[in-house]
Amino acid sequence: NAGVTQTPKFQVLKTGQSMTLQCAQDMNHNSMYWYRQDPGMGLRLIYYSASEGTTDKGEVPNGYNVSRLNKREFSLRLESAAPSQTSVYFCASSEGLGGYEQYFGPGTRLTVT
Amino acid sequence: AQTVTQSQPEMSVQEAETVTLSCTYDTSESDYYLFWYKQPPSRQMILVIRQEAYKQQNATENRFSVNFQKAAKSFSLKISDSQLGDAAMYFCAYRSARAVQGSYNTDKLIFGTGTRLQVFP
Repeated sequence: NAGVTQTPKFQVLKTGQSMTLQCAQDMNHNSMYWYRQDPGMGLRLIYYSASEGTTDKGEVPNGYNVSRLNKREFSLRLESAAPSQTSVYFCASSEGLGGYEQYFGPGTRLTVT
Repeated sequence: AQTVTQSQPEMSVQEAETVTLSCTYDTSESDYYLFWYKQPPSRQMILVIRQEAYKQQNATENRFSVNFQKAAKSFSLKISDSQLGDAAMYFCAYRSARAVQGSYNTDKLIFGTGTRLQVFP
């Protein structure tokens, strides 16, 4: 039982390049989330998927797109990376919305030069 | 909008001693959840403890307990018998109990900025 997995763990991009961060969970959870963590700030929600087939914007969605490929997988895409997107990205999942515990992946450290 | 404030950027404690991390929040809602997450150097976010606002009893998980003061909007974490493995960033988080799909204002976890805890032998 791996929980929430993310790939890659580290990535360096040049400004304007694109990439997709992958996330998968094996807990049969309905809801999945993408957060970013910047120094001196807590985690901020980028996008989330309440259930398979739905996605919604979070607090900081600009510059990102997401795909809920199936119940297990939720990917985050940067179409044209910018230095402001240098951050640590976390994927999380939970049984559903509300007070259910969110389980986090190990994070992806992304640097955009 | 809800906010979460952690006013202690860093704290330190001697091994085997007790330390309390502070968290205050602002909300107009009456039903919500509060969490403490631990983030060790490995970066993995780990849930330490969770409190439902409608419960008056303070949550406890082994050496970790909270002091939940609903009227004061305060949610502090007490770590007893501190261990070297407790060294980490600790984040306080809030989530509305009223989850409405399509409204991230109620669906998201709102995090504080974190407190770095150092544990000295």
